[in-house]
Amino acid sequence: AQTVTQSQPEMSVQEAETVTLSCTYDTSESDYYLFWYKQPPSRQMILVIRQEAYKQQNATENRFSVNFQKAAKSFSLKISDSQLGDAAMYFCAYRSASNTGKLIFGQGTTLQVKP
Amino acid sequence: SQTIHQWPATLVQPVGSPLSLECTVEGTSNPNLYWYRQAAGRGLQLLFYSVGIGQISSEVPQNLSASRPQDRQFILSSKKLLLSDSGFYLCAWRLLGGPMNTEAFFGQGTRLTVV
Repeated sequence: AQTVTQSQPEMSVQEAETVTLSCTYDTSESDYYLFWYKQPPSRQMILVIRQEAYKQQNATENRFSVNFQKAAKSFSLKISDSQLGDAAMYFCAYRSASNTGKLIFGQGTTLQVKP
Repeated sequence: SQTIHQWPATLVQPVGSPLSLECTVEGTSNPNLYWYRQAAGRGLQLLFYSVGIGQISSEVPQNLSASRPQDRQFILSSKKLLLSDSGFYLCAWRLLGGPMNTEAFFGQGTRLTVV
């Protein structure tokens, strides 16, 4: 069975600085997808960024980028120029390439942004 | 455009009472539907998923059940609630047969407190 681990329960960053959230996963599959979701205090789950395992190029979305290391089964999220609105819980998630679309989530990292 | 509605937003129920949470999706057909639960300060755990009307797969043994009486309606139920059923419940959908990297879209969630 696949597992996702986020070893940082809490992180903090100064506004305008850069922070990296860690995620590791375990799978025997070769084809899969990885996601970072943001959950602000409203509890709405918002997709931040996604990465297809077959793509070597790291995904980027504006201030958000990932460092995808397939061999090491590592998928970290880098937030540049952190803003107060980035404060939230961040979840790393794995999805198999099968058609069921089930997501396996890590435990989450709470990010605090200090003004 | 597609939208997902989930209600109620909050619910306080006594132990032993029944439960019915409803989720509906608009603007799409034959979606995959999912129920997740989030315990306090934890990640999301998949409870049930459905790939079609009347087709329900359970991921973990529990006191809950799910049904899909219509294509875009997904219901989470219990005959007798337990204290351990307290948590934040999220419904999600994903388009079946769409691009394999299509993300899941989440509802606003229901905060259930069993007292």
